Amino acid sequence: GNSVTQMEGPVTLSEEAFLTINCTYTATGYPSLFWYVQYPGEGLQLLLKATKADDKGSNKGFEATYRKETTSFHLEKGSVQVSDSAVYFCALSDRAGGTSYGKLTFGQGTILTVHP
Amino acid sequence: GAVVSQHPSWVICKSGTSVKIECRSLDFQATTMFWYRQFPKQSLMLMATSNEGSKATYEQGVEKDKFLINHASLTLSTLTVTSAHPEDSSFYICSARALAKQETQYFGPGTRLLVL
Repeated sequence: GNSVTQMEGPVTLSEEAFLTINCTYTATGYPSLFWYVQYPGEGLQLLLKATKADDKGSNKGFEATYRKETTSFHLEKGSVQVSDSAVYFCALSDRAGGTSYGKLTFGQGTILTVHP
Repeated sequence: GAVVSQHPSWVICKSGTSVKIECRSLDFQATTMFWYRQFPKQSLMLMATSNEGSKATYEQGVEKDKFLINHASLTLSTLTVTSAHPEDSSFYICSARALAKQETQYFGPGTRLLVL
């Protein structure tokens, strides 16, 4: 079955530091890949996505590239801010069709804390 | 665009009572809605997938008689936790998928349920 593995957290950084959160996946076929962010006490917000190999998703200074050869979708940001403190989830969406189409498989989440 | 709301955001109830949670897509038609459960500091667990006008598909291990899901219109799905017990206390999150963008789910802000 499908699975998503994220680097374990928590990750603690100083403001303006470089961020990388690793994500690798196992899937049949050609899934779409997502990063979601969850701020304290809130639901998930779509941060970025990529739907095919070599696509780069980007938003709010974050970016991730769909690497089929390494089955990875690592999240990066060049300079983090205190407001980026949240939980980040990597996810994939099955394209198998039928009732399984669009089901999201999530990684375990990575807690990011950014200090001033 | 692509806003999903949930109501209520917080609910406290007595053991043995039933609680209904609403999930609405505010600015798009959602042919499919998903219900997730999230335990503290853990990832999201998919409970069920509901398609408008048909019965929900439950994930393995989720009691369909306990977690009743209704998706009566293209903008509304409800989750009813019947005869709630303290172990049902959790954060329940819904998401919705638009017909035109089937690879992307948009999440509601979540409902925190506490059963006393």
